[in-house]
Amino acid sequence: KNEVEQSPQNLTAQEGEFITINCSYSVGISALHWLQQHPGGGIVSLFMLSSGKKKHGRLIATINIQEKHSSLHITASHPRDSAVYICAVILNTGNQFYFGTGTSLTVIP
Amino acid sequence: DTGVSQNPRHKITKRGQNVTFRCDPISEHNRLYWYRQTLGQGPEFLTYFQNEAQLEKSRLLSDRFSAERPKGSFSTLEIQRTEQGDSAMYLCASSFSLGPIGETQYFGPGTRLLVL
Repeated sequence: KNEVEQSPQNLTAQEGEFITINCSYSVGISALHWLQQHPGGGIVSLFMLSSGKKKHGRLIATINIQEKHSSLHITASHPRDSAVYICAVILNTGNQFYFGTGTSLTVIP
Repeated sequence: DTGVSQNPRHKITKRGQNVTFRCDPISEHNRLYWYRQTLGQGPEFLTYFQNEAQLEKSRLLSDRFSAERPKGSFSTLEIQRTEQGDSAMYLCASSFSLGPIGETQYFGPGTRLLVL
């Protein structure tokens, strides 16, 4: 069993739709990252969260520490949002990262 | 370009050969991370440095893997006696932080390794 589970694994949406990607984890963490990986491998860090909610443009990330759950929301989705979105957690017991397997998002014009 | 760079971008080698990858972080960053990513999977943490000190190594990093950051700037990751299971994308990331890990990291483009 992975320490970090993401859902859905694959997601296809029409342009303009509101998108939610979920991340659940089973370990105690100090922080959680949402990453975006484009075809070809380039990875961009979107958010780092330890509590509450963060917003950047059309992206919103929330985390509920008690429920060990985080969500990434994309409002007014656009084809350029098509990418793999990866959740990563940092353990609170030491310097270890665990990554989810990613959610592959395709936004159709 | 002042981002993280990695060389080579692609490497094809025969099983049993040694390979070395290089990562040049963003110049003022004190932390440097190595990850491995296989197709369809998320990245796996391998190791990280703070300046020249290697502070953490994953159990995934077998004896055939060694990483160095001799002057606290660029880093090398060497794989000895490569195996087909080593085929993956090797990603490097850098950051600046004086506190516990968890800061925003900046990723390089990766080195894709294929072991035949």
